[in-house]
Amino acid sequence: QITLKESGPTLVRPTQTLTLTCSVSGFSLSTTGMGVGWVRQPPGKALEWLVSVYWNDDKRDSPSLRSRVTITKETSKNQVVLTMTNMDPVDTATYYCVGGGNYQGKFEFWGQGTPVTVSS
Amino acid sequence: EIVLTQSPGTLSLSPGEGVTLSCRASQRVSTNLAWYQQKPGQAPRLLIHGASIGATGTPDRFNGSGSGADFSLTISRLEPEDFAVYYCQQYGTSPYTFGQGTKLEI
Repeated sequence: QITLKESGPTLVRPTQTLTLTCSVSGFSLSTTGMGVGWVRQPPGKALEWLVSVYWNDDKRDSPSLRSRVTITKETSKNQVVLTMTNMDPVDTATYYCVGGGNYQGKFEFWGQGTPVTVSS
Repeated sequence: EIVLTQSPGTLSLSPGEGVTLSCRASQRVSTNLAWYQQKPGQAPRLLIHGASIGATGTPDRFNGSGSGADFSLTISRLEPEDFAVYYCQQYGTSPYTFGQGTKLEI
């Protein structure tokens, strides 16, 4: 059974850096074709893909957030870490860890999501 | 960036009815198009990928079609559990993008 579980702070101050960890079970991050990434959803709004990393260390990201977002694959821990700098209240959202295979950007697997509020 | 436009925004229907949701891409994405279902307070769930391939566990009443830039999701007979928000997503070109969603309400 494949599960993805997000962890990290629920409250971040403006200008601070957000760090979220996705712990993956049920497959190895080194499995050919597998990718893990992050999707966020502001309250009452649509989904927005942020970034993904693949088994071969290939990374894809959203140009609009490229300067602020970093994704790190820690294969030995089977974890993926999202770092987002210079947080702003507009970044308030539920952040989902997502995964999929076949070296594609569709998301067969979703974490439960973790809410992050940016407020002073 | 490929923009996905979903229509309509909201649909009010009754159980047993059929419905077709639309998703139009600003550029051709071949069949690299997925549909997700999201219920309140839950993470989205993949329903359809490859424009027409049902994901594991997707009921037969869900049917995806289309290629290029025009796609549809048809639900043949709405069950009470189908009332949710549906998103399309293209994954043919990075950045991967989602539509704004269509809400099915009773």
